[in-house]
Amino acid sequence: GAVVSQHPSWVICKSGTSVKIECRSLDFQATTMFWYRQFPKQSLMLMATSNEGSKATYEQGVEKDKFLINHASLTLSTLTVTSAHPEDSSFYICSAAPGTVIETQYFGPGTRLLVL
Amino acid sequence: QQQVKQSPQSLIVQKGGISIINCAYENTAFDYFPWYQQFPGKGPALLIAIRPDVSEKKEGRFTISFNKSAKQFSLHIMDSQPGDSATYFCAASMNTGFQKLVFGTGTRLLVSP
Repeated sequence: GAVVSQHPSWVICKSGTSVKIECRSLDFQATTMFWYRQFPKQSLMLMATSNEGSKATYEQGVEKDKFLINHASLTLSTLTVTSAHPEDSSFYICSAAPGTVIETQYFGPGTRLLVL
Repeated sequence: QQQVKQSPQSLIVQKGGISIINCAYENTAFDYFPWYQQFPGKGPALLIAIRPDVSEKKEGRFTISFNKSAKQFSLHIMDSQPGDSATYFCAASMNTGFQKLVFGTGTRLLVSP
């Protein structure tokens, strides 16, 4: 149980285009979902927290107009990187927390984005 | 105060040995301390977690030791195996709001055969 999937697993795009990454909780309802960014050999940095049906809360320094997050349902959250640039190339990981006790987060397998 | 400091950055252990990774925190409001294991190209997976009301928790070969007064906690991997070779992250969160996880910097463990 507690499986989180991400799609796509990797994506290559041209500079200036937008990329959408999906995060799904497959066998539980996720009240809260988190989006992280991880550079090679570095730790996970939280980008934003989203609750179903409400606006995402972004961490300091994360551009909300560039990284659009939509938590459309209790099993789906999407991250759209708008007008992507090479510096946006990174490993994007989502996590999902079931119910109201959200100390346990289940992580997705990640999406590797390469912007050319 | 929101940081979690992790050491060592990398660790090489022989098969069958004990791997020890340490973390320290400053914020006494943290009340949940998980450890995550991450393989290359994969998302982190929860390994074991502890709350400050206990000093030790063991699950199989993995043990967390927690020292509340020193604000330190550590992961011990007993009988380390080559399959344990991965990056390990400690983390901390507090029971307020959305319980955001603050991650340590990670430790790359290599268990030699």
